[in-house]
Amino acid sequence: GDSVTQMEGPVTLSEEAFLTINCTYTATGYPSLFWYVQYPGEGLQLLLKATKADDKGSNKGFEATYRKETTSFHLEKGSVQVSDSAVYFCALKSNFGNEKLTFGTGTRLTIIP
Amino acid sequence: EPEVTQTPSHQVTQMGQEVILRCVPISNHLYFYWYRQILGQKVEFLVSFYNNEISEKSEIFDDQFSVERPDGSNFTLKIRSTKLEDSAMYFCASSTDRDQETQYFGPGTRLLVL
Repeated sequence: GDSVTQMEGPVTLSEEAFLTINCTYTATGYPSLFWYVQYPGEGLQLLLKATKADDKGSNKGFEATYRKETTSFHLEKGSVQVSDSAVYFCALKSNFGNEKLTFGTGTRLTIIP
Repeated sequence: EPEVTQTPSHQVTQMGQEVILRCVPISNHLYFYWYRQILGQKVEFLVSFYNNEISEKSEIFDDQFSVERPDGSNFTLKIRSTKLEDSAMYFCASSTDRDQETQYFGPGTRLLVL
């Protein structure tokens, strides 16, 4: 079945550092890929998505590129801020008509000033 | 901005008791979902609901679970006889169109079964 493997946390970085959170997936066909973020006390929010190979999703300075050859969708940001502290979830949705999202375990990111 | 809300934020119950988790999806959304996350584990899909019936469910969603949309605004998840292993964070989500893929999540209900 479909699965998502995500970099284990927690991750602690200094402000303005470069961020990478790794995500790889296993799925049949060509799934859509997502990054969700959960800020303290809030629900999961869609951060960015990509629906086909080589697409790049971007939002709020974060980027991720759909790499079919390596089945990866790594999240990157060039200069993190304290306000980026949150839990980040990689997820996929099959293109076979399934409605569910399949998530990774989440990576807790803490940015220190 | 419209958002999905869930109540209660926390619930503690005794094993064997029934619990009902409540969600108010975004008002013009047509598809509704429940997910759960056991502490330290992945967020797992439970069920999706459209047009007043279940459209997809996982193997986790057994006879102890049920969902209902009792009125035009609420979407509920009932666990008939809770087990210790039902302790988790339960997330509700909704979307306008399942093909659009963007599911909007609520903040979750943390359920603790003692």
